[in-house]
Amino acid sequence: AQSVTQLGSHVSVSEGALVLLRCNYSSSVPPYLFWYVQYPNQGLQLLLKYTTGATLVKGINGFEAEFKKSETSFHLTKPSAHMSDAAEYFCAVMNRDDKIIFGKGTRLHILP
Amino acid sequence: DTAVSQTPKYLVTQMGNDKSIKCEQNLGHDTMYWYKQDSKKFLKIMFSYNNKELIINETVPNRFSPKSPDKAHLNLHINSLELGDSAVYFCASNTGTGIPGELFFGEGSRLTVL
Repeated sequence: AQSVTQLGSHVSVSEGALVLLRCNYSSSVPPYLFWYVQYPNQGLQLLLKYTTGATLVKGINGFEAEFKKSETSFHLTKPSAHMSDAAEYFCAVMNRDDKIIFGKGTRLHILP
Repeated sequence: DTAVSQTPKYLVTQMGNDKSIKCEQNLGHDTMYWYKQDSKKFLKIMFSYNNKELIINETVPNRFSPKSPDKAHLNLHINSLELGDSAVYFCASNTGTGIPGELFFGEGSRLTVL
């Protein structure tokens, strides 16, 4: 069975600092991987996704993630945090029957 | 011009009541989902429909009954509401099976059972 583990339910970074949100997955087949963001009182929206090809994926709002098969990881990064990045972030894996499994989420806090 | 819209946005009701949440998408997608997000933000899939046909049913109590009158609509009816049903319910859609497309989410329906 596929699963997603997000390390750290809360992460705090200073404004302007590097953002690193960790995600590890387990999958018996090459996975499709996603990061979603949820702002307060809103639904989730897609930040970026990995399907095939280049392992470094760029998304919206300056975020990027790298698929590392050897480490079964898909960590999300952003070079410089902005106050508007404060939100809940979800890593997700999709299996071949179109079911998307979400991690438990990481709340990102931005310190002024 | 909302892509995935849910109604109502907030619902407060007593235990034992029956309630429905409606969802509509105008994206032309074939697949629609219901997800439940609990108080700890954990997001769990409940149901998935592809072109009006149920394809995923994730061990949800049979008090929950989804209904898809057409591929643009997926409603959720809940009978005999329990305290543990309190959560935010999200409707979502994507292009269809076998395609790693993104999920488009509605804004959620917050259900509070007293």
